[in-house]
Amino acid sequence: AQKVTQAQTEISVVEKEDVTLDCVYETRDTTYYLFWYKQPPSGELVFLIRRNSFDEQNEISGRYSWNFQKSTSSFNFTITASQVVDSAVYFCALSTLIQGAQKLVFGQGTRLTINP
Amino acid sequence: EAQVTQNPRYLITVTGKKLTVTCSQNMNHEYMSWYRQDPGLGLRQIYYSMNVEVTDKGDVPEGYKVSRKEKRNFPLILESPSPNQTSLYFCASGRGGLEKLFFGSGTQLSVL
Repeated sequence: AQKVTQAQTEISVVEKEDVTLDCVYETRDTTYYLFWYKQPPSGELVFLIRRNSFDEQNEISGRYSWNFQKSTSSFNFTITASQVVDSAVYFCALSTLIQGAQKLVFGQGTRLTINP
Repeated sequence: EAQVTQNPRYLITVTGKKLTVTCSQNMNHEYMSWYRQDPGLGLRQIYYSMNVEVTDKGDVPEGYKVSRKEKRNFPLILESPSPNQTSLYFCASGRGGLEKLFFGSGTQLSVL
């Protein structure tokens, strides 16, 4: 069965600190994608990144970086020099194909609060 | 502009009164899906559709119905809503396969 665990329910840091959001996933499939979505206070879901199971290269986009390690089934997300606008709920998700249909399973989410 | 449009944004209703939440996408996506978001549980899939007239249950389908008569529309129907269906609902669409999903703005439903 597919499962995504975000063990950190809530994180609170002071602005400019670095923060890492953990994501651990379970799947028996060899082909899958991992995602991070951001849900700001306005409520919509904003796509951040997609990573396929064959590409373990880390990725950096501005202050955001992602560390994908298949050996530990983890796909962690780091925000460097956090800002108040980074305050949101962040979801990690796992996408697989079940009988040809896309199955997207979300973690429980991590509420990140950046304090000024 | 590519988008997924859900209506209404907020809905308060009473137990047993049938309601429909509409979802429409303008990206010609074949795949559409409904999720509900509850505190501490993340988003859970209710139903999904791989194409017109092709729908299937997700993880939490009880109490919900869907239909896919046209490619762009995928309404969520609650025939007899109950308080445990109070939740934030999201519609999503995508090209299928393992592609990213585009989400609507959400519908906050309260069943009294």
